[in-house]
Amino acid sequence: DAGVIQSPRHEVTEMGQEVTLRCKPISGHNSLFWYRQTMMRGLELLIYFNNNVPIDDSGMPEDRFSAKMPNASFSTLKIQPSEPRDSAVYFCASSLKRAGGYEQYFGPGTRLTVT
Amino acid sequence: SQQGEEDPQALSIQEGENATMNCSYKTSINNLQWYRQNSGRGLVHLILIRSNEREKHSGRLRVTLDTSKKSSSLLITASRAADTASYFCATDSSGAGSYQLTFGKGTKLSVIP
Repeated sequence: DAGVIQSPRHEVTEMGQEVTLRCKPISGHNSLFWYRQTMMRGLELLIYFNNNVPIDDSGMPEDRFSAKMPNASFSTLKIQPSEPRDSAVYFCASSLKRAGGYEQYFGPGTRLTVT
Repeated sequence: SQQGEEDPQALSIQEGENATMNCSYKTSINNLQWYRQNSGRGLVHLILIRSNEREKHSGRLRVTLDTSKKSSSLLITASRAADTASYFCATDSSGAGSYQLTFGKGTKLSVIP
């Protein structure tokens, strides 16, 4: 298995522009998570999906952020409009939800720089 | 808010020595997990310990869990330069049907050859 795939790996954009991050989870996994990592705040959960349905988006910072999962093999995280404070590494992770605990498999991340 | 808090924030040891990292948390948990992150990479799952377990081993890794003290430790024995990374604890304290992990800020381990 190729693992969790994220694209792009790096994104540099200007303030006000729309940014779309993409994620392909591991085949067969039924849960997908979007995280943001910064030095100041560490790793923050933004939103997670179970069976393509958003379960908890309380971590999404503002209405500028939105996430979709149209099918089991694809998810997007969109920021519109982007701001310099959105600069961070964004990770997508997937897991197989089952009783007794589970582990999450992380993608390589997208490093976003908003100037 | 941060559930798990790792201690120390940074640790530097010589190759061959043991490394111990600690994690404290605040609420009751279903399980606790440890992850490793190499610079510029995603997190990699190392080990999961359930709330009814006290100790678990995986290769050179040993994890303990003390639910009465709400703490866990990760021991890496006979460290290698390749163990240089940040280590995070993550707690699962969600209710039935909800599977979220809350990560600490990590311990940055440097193993000097």
